Amino acid sequence: EADIYQTPRYLVIGTGKKITLECSQTMGHDKMYWYQQDPGMELHLIHYSYGVNSTEKGDLSSESTVSRIRTEHFPLTLESARPSHTSQYLCASSNVGTSSYEQYFGPGTRLTVT
Amino acid sequence: KNQVEQSPQSLIILEGKNCTLQCNYTVSPFSNLRWYKQDTGRGPVSLTIMTFSENTKSNGRYTATLDADTKQSSLHITASQLSDSASYICVVSDRGSTLGRLYFGRGTQLTVWP
Repeated sequence: EADIYQTPRYLVIGTGKKITLECSQTMGHDKMYWYQQDPGMELHLIHYSYGVNSTEKGDLSSESTVSRIRTEHFPLTLESARPSHTSQYLCASSNVGTSSYEQYFGPGTRLTVT
Repeated sequence: KNQVEQSPQSLIILEGKNCTLQCNYTVSPFSNLRWYKQDTGRGPVSLTIMTFSENTKSNGRYTATLDADTKQSSLHITASQLSDSASYICVVSDRGSTLGRLYFGRGTQLTVWP
């Protein structure tokens, strides 16, 4: 089982609140990713990082921001949550040196904004 | 446009029966194809990964096939168990970028009944 952790697992908050979703991995992977997934739909890449101090936006436009100050930590922040942000957020990591680009996923955070 | 299409969208089978899930893709240039299993409320877990030169790969009761010429893949599950109930996601990676961009299908929701 992959050593990648996400907290909280479930979060219900009111509109306008600031939230941070935590993601940590202990595998020493350089690449980390954030995906957004709605029920019955495909995963959409919203942010990724090649390593420390590297962050890039993904395919799906998102109002969230990320930071990568430490290799093992890749938090995602929403400054002002809205009901449209209700979704499942999945964090993943991979080893730059792996030609197969295997990505290991965390358990996800289910966010509900009321 | 790079796309991954899966069929059927959902499938119900009885415990002990076999089933086959389909995946068609248009991703180019192709790098590899993976099948993930995603339990409800969890992150995806890798089942198999195949490169261009591989046309079959097994992982226990799961056997994946790949036809790179027709850009089709299948996942065959033998002697299904209740724990096989999950969403099975086909994911194709391109080799056009250092990121190893992943393209996700929407998944086939498999339900195994006793």
